[in-house]
Amino acid sequence: DTGVSQDPRHKITKRGQNVTFRCDPISEHNRLYWYRQTLGQGPEFLTYFQNEAQLEKSRLLSDRFSAERPKGSFSTLEIQRTEQGDSAMYLCASSYTRLNTEAFFGQGTRLTVV
Amino acid sequence: AQKITQTQPGMFVQEKEAVTLDCTYDTSDPSYGLFWYKQPSSGEMIFLIYQGSYDQQNATEGRYSLNFQKARKSANLVISASQLGDSAMYFCAMRASGATNKLIFGTGTLLAVQP
Repeated sequence: DTGVSQDPRHKITKRGQNVTFRCDPISEHNRLYWYRQTLGQGPEFLTYFQNEAQLEKSRLLSDRFSAERPKGSFSTLEIQRTEQGDSAMYLCASSYTRLNTEAFFGQGTRLTVV
Repeated sequence: AQKITQTQPGMFVQEKEAVTLDCTYDTSDPSYGLFWYKQPSSGEMIFLIYQGSYDQQNATEGRYSLNFQKARKSANLVISASQLGDSAMYFCAMRASGATNKLIFGTGTLLAVQP
């Protein structure tokens, strides 16, 4: 399978715990995005990497959130001290640099904070 | 500010019939791109079709076509010959201003195809 891969698919955690999600983009894609999708809404942009550089972060990305993309390959999104409001689907997408190319999405990680 | 509006929370269509899903957008940029994605219950966002603001013709991809009306700022998705497997959430999205190519999504339309 050469698509975008996310792990885990589902995560249930207690409030206050830390969680980390992983995204493996399509290998030749240099652009990587994280989005968050809550129930009944479309995905909302969280952060963007070009290769290993994190070039943009949304105001949605509070201090408790951190993302990395070491060596420009896979990426991780960590949420510290989770809150119930963090419950959502976290989607990763990757794409080429060319302007009019579509982004390819993974199946997402569904986080439930109890 | 850039915005995507999808006013149909849900739609029903009979199998083998055509259906139109509405999308309007707001942007002041002269150059922009519009996308449609399908999200089945599994969660993955599946790319369907793309329309560039300077494209002279409406985009088509198999059973999907995009009815692009620039003056009205609308980019409706038309699905012809609906199939049961088309039942899913459909999201319209726009490429945001700037260099990141991040997407701005609408709230989606849930399509149910009835046998």
